[in-house]
Amino acid sequence: AQTVTQSQPEMSVQEAETVTLSCTYDTSENNYYLFWYKQPPSRQMILVIRQEAYKQQNATENRFSVNFQKAAKSFSLKISDSQLGDTAMYFCAFGGSGGSNYKLTFGKGTLLTVNP
Amino acid sequence: KAGVTQTPRYLIKTRGQQVTLSCSPISGHRSVSWYQQTPGQGLQFLFEYFSETQRNKGNFPGRFSGRQFSNSRSEMNVSTLELGDSALYLCASSLARGSEQYFGPGTRLTVT
Repeated sequence: AQTVTQSQPEMSVQEAETVTLSCTYDTSENNYYLFWYKQPPSRQMILVIRQEAYKQQNATENRFSVNFQKAAKSFSLKISDSQLGDTAMYFCAFGGSGGSNYKLTFGKGTLLTVNP
Repeated sequence: KAGVTQTPRYLIKTRGQQVTLSCSPISGHRSVSWYQQTPGQGLQFLFEYFSETQRNKGNFPGRFSGRQFSNSRSEMNVSTLELGDSALYLCASSLARGSEQYFGPGTRLTVT
C-alpha cells in the first residue's frame, strides 16, 4: 500500500517570499502520478500541479513548481512570490498508474499561512 | 465547462437514519471517486466508479455504498448513521482512470 507523508503540519511565509512544502511517499510501483492540491477555507479542493513519474522534468505552473526526486521518493512544492490568496491547506497526493486499484492517497496536509 | 457539483451542500441527520449524497461530474468525465474528510483521519478513499461499475473500494464498512448512472452521475448512500460518520464528503471526477481528479465543493454531513 502506498503512503504519503507531509512532515510539516503548519508553515507561514511573508507575502512575496518563497516557500517550499515537503512531501515523501512510499510505493513499489514504477509508473504513477503525484499531485499537489490546495484546500482554502472554502473547503474546495483545487488541483495545483501534477507530475508524471516517468517524466524527469519537474512540472511548473506559473508561481508553483515541484522538485521531484524519484529515487528519494520526494515531491516538494515551491511557491514563489507568495500571495495572500495562497493561504490554504496543501495536500500531497499519490495516484497509481491505473488498473483495478486506482485511487488517490493523500498526506495529512500542511497548513500554509501567508502573512501581509 | 461546469465543474463537479454535489448536492446537498449541508446535511444534518440523526443517528440511525440513512442519507444519500449526489455528485454530478464534469461533462465527459467517466470516473467518479468519493472521499471522506475528517479532522482525525484526513482524506480517505471510499470508492471509485467507472462505466457504472464499482472498480475500487476503500476500507469502509458495508453501510457505505454507492452507484453510478449511465450519465456518469453518482450517488453514495450511508445507512444506519453513526456519530463518527460526521465528515465532509468529497466527490471527484476524472476523464479516465489514472488521470487527475477534479473535486466538487463537498457535502458537509453532521450526525447528531
